[in-house]
Amino acid sequence: EAGVTQFPSHSVIEKGQTVTLRCDPISGHDNLYWYRRVMGKEIKFLLHFVKESKQDESGMPNNRFLAERTGGTYSTLKVQPAELEDSGVYFCASSLGTRETQYFGPGTRLLVL
Amino acid sequence: AQKITQTQPGMFVQEKEAVTLDCTYDTSDPSYGLFWYKQPSSGEMIFLIYQGSYDQQNATEGRYSLNFQKARKSANLVISASQLGDSAMYFCAMREGWNDMRFGAGTRLTVKP
Repeated sequence: EAGVTQFPSHSVIEKGQTVTLRCDPISGHDNLYWYRRVMGKEIKFLLHFVKESKQDESGMPNNRFLAERTGGTYSTLKVQPAELEDSGVYFCASSLGTRETQYFGPGTRLLVL
Repeated sequence: AQKITQTQPGMFVQEKEAVTLDCTYDTSDPSYGLFWYKQPSSGEMIFLIYQGSYDQQNATEGRYSLNFQKARKSANLVISASQLGDSAMYFCAMREGWNDMRFGAGTRLTVKP
């Protein structure tokens, strides 16, 4: 069974540009989560989808971040416009049930110059 | 307030020996789950072990065991018979009730040959 996949694995962009990260959860997992780890800091929760609905987006840092999960399958996280402080590793995770173990993808390393 | 505390930024262990990675947590919710994840140098987050707050016995998964001391609010990870491939960052995480996961700062484990 395929695990959580994320694309791209790395992205280097300039400040002010737009980047879109993609996450494909484990098949059948209704719950999808986005996290990020900014350099030297802790892994922070961004938001949680249950199917196509945003269950909790309290961790989204500001309105430059937009997450979608149309159709309840894969999800995208768009950063527009990107700022220097957005650099870090963005992880996606999925779980079968809301209270069940979350399985993480390999992460997308974003560098904003 | 810090919910998850990992006091050891770095740990060294000799190959084939056991090592304990510390994790303490803070919650007033009677229902919570505790998780350990491993992050090797390749960057992915690998789920290792889970302990529920109502579980009577300590969780074990192969060479991994979780020393759950509820009264002390600690959930230390014990790795027995360390292998070189165990060298990685280890994150302790907690999920309270229906809320989202919070992560500790991580402990970097280095296994010496």
